[in-house]
Amino acid sequence: KAGVTQTPRYLIKTRGQQVTLSCSPISGHRSVSWYQQTPGQGLQFLFEYFSETQRNKGNFPGRFSGRQFSNSRSEMNVSTLELGDSALYLCASRIGLAGGPFNNEQFFGPGTRLTVL
Amino acid sequence: AQSVTQPDIHITVSEGASLELRCNYSYGATPYLFWYVQSPGQGLQLLLKYFSGDTLVQGIKGFEAEFKRSQSSFNLRKPSVHWSDAAEYFCAVGGSTGTASKLTFGTGTRLQVTL
Repeated sequence: KAGVTQTPRYLIKTRGQQVTLSCSPISGHRSVSWYQQTPGQGLQFLFEYFSETQRNKGNFPGRFSGRQFSNSRSEMNVSTLELGDSALYLCASRIGLAGGPFNNEQFFGPGTRLTVL
Repeated sequence: AQSVTQPDIHITVSEGASLELRCNYSYGATPYLFWYVQSPGQGLQLLLKYFSGDTLVQGIKGFEAEFKRSQSSFNLRKPSVHWSDAAEYFCAVGGSTGTASKLTFGTGTRLQVTL
């Protein structure tokens, strides 16, 4: 079974631009979460989507948004890019939202490295 | 609020030596605990997880971790380190209910292995 895939792997943008990142979860997984990883702040949760609805949200400004499609693929958008948005953006998928260990194991993709100049 | 502390930012061990990486967590309910490993430029790979039951859990690559509720700890161990274990290790805590399962990560411990 293929793992979580993220595209593109690398991006370079300039301040003020916007960017869209894509994530395809493991087949059969319906939940997708996004995390930002920076040297200063570490790994931080952005949001989680399930059944095309945002179910959980971290403490990020409204410039960060996402969506999920009916095939569970997810996109993350960052508008009006700032230098501090330079980071590795990781996507993780899990089976579903129900509680219990079976549904709570998250599988991570390789990430998209975003550089803002 | 949930939190994870990894007190060691950087650890160096000799190949063949034993390893213990420390992790302390804070969580108001029953936690789910995880250890992930990240090689440079890569995503996160799950080493092992604790949900309930036996407090000593075995993972991949010869790693194990022990959950100690009284100490709020979930330390990662390996009896004999290999040079390929050099990487960054993250401890994470998540909730046991579906919508509370976002992961909170520690700041990571970078492991260097000397030959």
